[in-house]
Amino acid sequence: SQKIEQNSEALNIQEGKTATLTCNYTNYSPAYLQWYRQDPGRGPVFLLLIRENEKEKRKERLKVTFDTTLKQSLFHITASQPADSATYLCARISGGYNKLIFGAGTRLAVHP
Amino acid sequence: DTGVSQNPRHKITKRGQNVTFRCDPISEHNRLYWYRQTLGQGPEFLTYFQNEAQLEKSRLLSDRFSAERPKGSFSTLEIQRTEQGDSAMYLCASSYSLEETQYFGPGTRLLVL
Repeated sequence: SQKIEQNSEALNIQEGKTATLTCNYTNYSPAYLQWYRQDPGRGPVFLLLIRENEKEKRKERLKVTFDTTLKQSLFHITASQPADSATYLCARISGGYNKLIFGAGTRLAVHP
Repeated sequence: DTGVSQNPRHKITKRGQNVTFRCDPISEHNRLYWYRQTLGQGPEFLTYFQNEAQLEKSRLLSDRFSAERPKGSFSTLEIQRTEQGDSAMYLCASSYSLEETQYFGPGTRLLVL
């Protein structure tokens, strides 16, 4: 079955450092992976989508990579700020209707 | 464009009662998804609508769950004879056919006592 695995332990980093979150998937490579941010008590907010044929994608301080050999995506936040503290979810599509399979998410805490 | 809205935001009910949640997608989004999220987990897919047609249902969706999307606009999710295991955040998401991104609502948090 298709699964998404994210490090369930919280990631604590100092403000200004780069945060790196890992997403591993099983089975065949999806056409694309998506990353979402979720704050407590709120719905996920879309951040970035990276396609299978893209090695890397950037948006402001965010960078995502997609390695089909390792079956892995890395999500980087450079120059992290306390406002970046949240849970970050990785998701792959499944099936013809683009339903999403999510990982459990990684909680990021950026300390001043 | 006000985004996806969901009502109510919170619902507390007693076991055995019926509850109904509503989702208003972004206008002109023809795809609508329901997900369920429990503490410490990512959202899990429940069901999918394309316009008014319900095209896919997860095995998570027991007989006590029913969803509708009349006229292809808003959608409702009803849970009959609620159980404590139904306590979760119920999320709705919508998207446009030609785009992959799903836009999520704020969710309805259900607590079954």
